[in-house]
Amino acid sequence: KAGVTQTPRYLIKTRGQQVTLSCSPISGHRSVSWYQQTPGQGLQFLFEYFSETQRNKGNFPGRFSGRQFSNSRSEMNVSTLELGDSALYLCASSFGGSSGNTIYFGEGSWLTVV
Amino acid sequence: AQSVTQLDSHVSVSEGTPVLLRCNYSSSYSPSLFWYVQHPNKGLQLLLKYTSAATLVKGINGFEAEFKKSETSFHLTKPSAHMSDAAEYFCVVILPFTGGFKTIFGAGTRLFVKA
Repeated sequence: KAGVTQTPRYLIKTRGQQVTLSCSPISGHRSVSWYQQTPGQGLQFLFEYFSETQRNKGNFPGRFSGRQFSNSRSEMNVSTLELGDSALYLCASSFGGSSGNTIYFGEGSWLTVV
Repeated sequence: AQSVTQLDSHVSVSEGTPVLLRCNYSSSYSPSLFWYVQHPNKGLQLLLKYTSAATLVKGINGFEAEFKKSETSFHLTKPSAHMSDAAEYFCVVILPFTGGFKTIFGAGTRLFVKA
């Protein structure tokens, strides 16, 4: 059974540009959530999608957005990149129907903004 | 307010000695509790989870954790540390939330294992 797949794994962008990251969840999982991980702030929740609807959102500016497609694949977009957006972005998936559902993480996308 | 506190930011043990990583939570609901491990440049891997069944939960790689409701704790233990256990460990709580669920991460505990 394939795990959570994130692409691209590594990317470098310039300030002011935008970036789109992709996440393919485990087959059958309907919930996809995104997290930002930095050395200073740790793991911070960005948003969660369930059946194409944003169900929960963290405290990030509107430059951070996401969406989920009918096949449960998800993308997140960051516009007008800032140096502080450099981070590991982690995607996770679960069945999403219960708080006991295990969340499975991808390997992450390393974003460097220069 | 709901929260997760990992009491130690760093823990250092010698190979072959026991490991104890501490986690306390605060919640007005019955939570689901998880421990994840993150090795350098990797995603998070599930070690074990508690979802209101047995209070002593066994996970992968010899780790186990005990849910103690009276102490609101979910500490992670291992009888004998290996060098490969050196990593960062996260205690995670998932709670019911309006319209869905809320996932709360602890700040992480970095485990160092000395030869």
